[in-house]
Amino acid sequence: AQKITQTQPGMFVQEKEAVTLDCTYDTSDQSYGLFWYKQPSSGEMIFLIYQGSYDEQNATEGRYSLNFQKARKSANLVISASQLGDSAMYFCAMRDLIQGAQKLVFGQGTRLTINP
Amino acid sequence: SAVISQKPSRDICQRGTSLTIQCQVDSQVTMMFWYRQQPGQSLTLIATANQGSEATYESGFVIDKFPISRPNLTFSTLTVSNMSPEDSSIYLCSVGRRLGEKLFFGSGTQLSVL
Repeated sequence: AQKITQTQPGMFVQEKEAVTLDCTYDTSDQSYGLFWYKQPSSGEMIFLIYQGSYDEQNATEGRYSLNFQKARKSANLVISASQLGDSAMYFCAMRDLIQGAQKLVFGQGTRLTINP
Repeated sequence: SAVISQKPSRDICQRGTSLTIQCQVDSQVTMMFWYRQQPGQSLTLIATANQGSEATYESGFVIDKFPISRPNLTFSTLTVSNMSPEDSSIYLCSVGRRLGEKLFFGSGTQLSVL
């Protein structure tokens, strides 16, 4: 079974600093996908970034980048130049392919607080 | 990305009643899923909504408690039946157009059961 581990329950960062949110995963599949989502206090889940297991380059989306280290089974999210609006819960997730259906397995999340 | 409309956004319900949550997508999607997020917890998959057939439920979730409909490729409903305070959670629908593509979420339904 696939498993996602986020070891940082909470993080506090000064505005404009870069922040790294940790994510490690466990799978026996050769083909898989890794996702990061942001959940503000409103409760919606906002897609941030995606990395496929066969992608040779690390994914980037604006201020977000994914530090993908396949041998170590880690997929850390890096947010550059953090902003107050980045304060939220962040979830790492893995795509699980079961009978052709793609569903997500989530980690426990990291609560990020940006201080002014 | 898909535009997903989920209704209601929040509700407060009495014990023993049922609530139906709707998920409408602006384009046809292959995959639709329903997740539950209990207070302070991560997301747990309830079921995969299959178009034209019965939903596929995860361990710990049953059709009698969480009946799901998916009449076409753009719409699905989740009903939370015979509610108790333990059902107080955020319920989210998630969609994907094709296998291997990103999955997007609706804005969620915050349910409180008194």
